[in-house]
Amino acid sequence: AQSVTQLDSQVPVFEEAPVELRCNYSSSVSVYLFWYVQYPNQGLQLLLKYLSGSTLVKGINGFEAEFNKSQTSFHLRKPSVHISDTAEYFCAVSSDSGGSNYKLTFGKGTLLTVNP
Amino acid sequence: NAGVMQNPRHLVRRRGQEARLRCSPMKGHSHVYWYRQLPEEGLKFMVYLQKENIIDESGMPKERFSAEFPKEGPSILRIQQVVRGDSAAYFCASSPSGDGNTQYFGPGTRLTVL
Repeated sequence: AQSVTQLDSQVPVFEEAPVELRCNYSSSVSVYLFWYVQYPNQGLQLLLKYLSGSTLVKGINGFEAEFNKSQTSFHLRKPSVHISDTAEYFCAVSSDSGGSNYKLTFGKGTLLTVNP
Repeated sequence: NAGVMQNPRHLVRRRGQEARLRCSPMKGHSHVYWYRQLPEEGLKFMVYLQKENIIDESGMPKERFSAEFPKEGPSILRIQQVVRGDSAAYFCASSPSGDGNTQYFGPGTRLTVL
């Protein structure tokens, strides 16, 4: 079984400041890792994903995340945030074994609020 | 290209009634996934369907819940005899054939059971 922990339920920051949203996971097998963003009244949108290869993954809207296997982490970062980045961010994991990579396990989400 | 569509967006039911949630996948997608988000929890996988087939329903409660994805029309998640504990947001996702690592999500249906 897998689990995902998003350490911060809310993160307030000022515009143009850097931000890091933390995500840790646990799994007994190799994993795929994802970050999704949900803007108000919209569906979840994929920001980026790690499947294999380089541990630094770049996504849309200037976000990036780094897979750290030894620390079982996949933290999301952006060097300078905008007001429009205000949204809820979800970290998710799936397993690459057993043919069930479609079964995403999500964290509880982190609400990022960017203030002017 | 329209995204994944879900309706209704909000649904209110009284205990004992039936709830029907609909999901239209993105055009060309034949794989549909349903997730449930209980208050203060992350999304949890419920069921994976392809056209006319249930592939994996390991996350579905054993009773009162069912899902289908007919040859024509949207996927339906049906909850019979709803109870207050069914109050949650239900999300549908779709993917192109075989690529479970790229799921496109709908906006969700928020079910409230009075």
